[in-house]
Amino acid sequence: DIQMTQSPSLLSASVGDRVTLSCKASQNIYKYLNWYQQKLGEAPKLLIYYTNSLQTGIPSRFSGSGSGTDYTLTISSLQPEDVATYFCQQYNSWNTFGAGTKLELK
Amino acid sequence: EIQLQESGPGLVKPSQSLSLTCSVTGYTITSGYDWSWIRKFPGNKMEWMGYISYSGSTNYNPSLKSRISITRDTSKNQFFLQLNSVTTEDTATYYCARSTYYGYAYYFDYWGQGVMVTVSS
Repeated sequence: DIQMTQSPSLLSASVGDRVTLSCKASQNIYKYLNWYQQKLGEAPKLLIYYTNSLQTGIPSRFSGSGSGTDYTLTISSLQPEDVATYFCQQYNSWNTFGAGTKLELK
Repeated sequence: EIQLQESGPGLVKPSQSLSLTCSVTGYTITSGYDWSWIRKFPGNKMEWMGYISYSGSTNYNPSLKSRISITRDTSKNQFFLQLNSVTTEDTATYYCARSTYYGYAYYFDYWGQGVMVTVSS
């Protein structure tokens, strides 16, 4: 199994901050990586697919990057509605998810 | 608009079978895509369990292969999860989701709200 490690597990930031979330794979996943946002009590929402493609309807302040084993989700200017848990998912070999980064307002 | 909705018992006894239904509206499950079950454990770890394709073929997570079955009722536009011989470690929120794929992309773009299932005697 490919293990996905997200860091940090909890992130506190202020409105307007540039926020960076990390996802590390246990082996090369060749950019086969997606990011999801899950707000409390809601279904997960796809934000980014294939490392850096923005899903339709997602604000442009969200972006993704990375290659090999290391991937990043960036929020360029944090908004109050971005408070959520963010998950990464690899699909190079089956599908496995990270344990999430919980993003809160400072 | 495509919507998925899970339903099923919230409490299952150890050693019994867990059975859930995913009802899909706004899209016919035989028209395309894969239709997956995903679960999220207490503590947030998520696990893809398996899918049934639009053609009816199935693919399961190897870690569950001996216990899982995904079937469908095309007349009701529903697909189902059955997980046998459950233990307390199967306590989780269960989601159904649509898998979309084209080119190098593969992702879950529509999800149900999830149903919490507790395994306890």
